[in-house]
Amino acid sequence: GDSVTQMEGPVTLSEEAFLTINCTYTATGYPSLFWYVQYPGEGLQLLLKATKADDKGSNKGFEATYRKETTSFHLEKGSVQVSDSAVYFCALSDSQAGTALIFGKGTTLSVSS
Amino acid sequence: DAGVIQSPRHEVTEMGQEVTLRCKPISGHDYLFWYRQTMMRGLELLIYFNNNVPIDDSGMPEDRFSAKMPNASFSTLKIQPSEPRDSAVYFCASRLSLEESGYTFGSGTRLTVV
Repeated sequence: GDSVTQMEGPVTLSEEAFLTINCTYTATGYPSLFWYVQYPGEGLQLLLKATKADDKGSNKGFEATYRKETTSFHLEKGSVQVSDSAVYFCALSDSQAGTALIFGKGTTLSVSS
Repeated sequence: DAGVIQSPRHEVTEMGQEVTLRCKPISGHDYLFWYRQTMMRGLELLIYFNNNVPIDDSGMPEDRFSAKMPNASFSTLKIQPSEPRDSAVYFCASRLSLEESGYTFGSGTRLTVV
């Protein structure tokens, strides 16, 4: 079945450092890909998405490109802030197959000043 | 829009008791999802509804779990009897149609079974 694999955390960075969180997927169809963020004590919020190959999703300085050839959707940010500290989830959804969102295990990011 | 509303935010109950979690989706959203989050297993889909009809309940762990959606604005997830291993954060989410829009999640219910 479809699945998502994220890099293990936690990721600890200093403010203004470059961030990459790796995400790869396995899918039988043509999924849409998402990144969600979860701040402490809150639900998940959609950060960005891409619905087809080579699409780039971006929001709040974060970017991810849908790479079909490598089945990847890595999250990047050029300069992280303390306020970016949260848990980040990669997810896929194959609406043609009628599947709900399938999440990776999540990666905890901690940014210090 | 008040977003997806879940209640209660926290629930502590004794093993063997019945627990009912509640969710009000965003008005007009026709898909509703229940997820469970634990440290060990991450986010697991339990069940989802389309137009109030259960579509996929293969993630419901066992017969002790049941979910209903009597109308478009309300859903419940019931655990009877509850066990300590049910302790988790339970999230409800809703989505509009089959468009590739993101889900909107509620703030979750943190369940502790002692």
